[in-house]
Amino acid sequence: ETGVTQSPTHLIKTRGQQVTLRCSSQSGHNTVSWYQQALGQGPQFIFQYYREEENGRGNFPPRFSGLQFPNYSSELNVNALELDDSALYLCASSLMEATEAFFGQGTRLTVV
Amino acid sequence: GQSLEQPSEVTAVEGAIVQINCTYQTSGFYGLSWYQQHDGGAPTFLSYNALDGLEETGRFSSFLSRSDSYGYLLLQELQMKDSASYFCAVRALGGKLIFGQGTELSVKP
Repeated sequence: ETGVTQSPTHLIKTRGQQVTLRCSSQSGHNTVSWYQQALGQGPQFIFQYYREEENGRGNFPPRFSGLQFPNYSSELNVNALELDDSALYLCASSLMEATEAFFGQGTRLTVV
Repeated sequence: GQSLEQPSEVTAVEGAIVQINCTYQTSGFYGLSWYQQHDGGAPTFLSYNALDGLEETGRFSSFLSRSDSYGYLLLQELQMKDSASYFCAVRALGGKLIFGQGTELSVKP
């Protein structure tokens, strides 16, 4: 158990819809990162938040957006869902300069 | 561009030693991490190398050569529970992780 919790665990959405995924960081961690992991692939960095500000973004379109709250929990929002957005979405929390990231169990999103 | 290469599959028997190699080509390299993931669950941290050399943590060791852009994870005394996917990941600016495609390790009796 890492102390990082994500909700929901599974989700099915229709193409074109919007989705919000949630992440509760491990206590004391001020940095949260989101990753997309397609089946059989490695996690791909979406973006990172540090103290409520976006602090780095991967190669994802603007319809992927996020928030970090004062308690360091976080949301990932995806608009205009596409079939290729079907993946496991992982949240990882850490301290900014730490070398170890703690991952949640992920949200399995299926877009039909 | 940024890329990491690691073998897609490795098979070994219980009690054996296995080495998973990783080569990388990235900008802004701060260190090389290794993560284990069982059946699409949460990746869990195994080790991190910022400097050249070997880091040992129990049955697992990790090596880094920055001049060769190369690292490996060494697993000793393999157990059935070690069957999982193993990812090397470059730690880049700001702590973001750039992952390889993963190596699926199968441990046979």
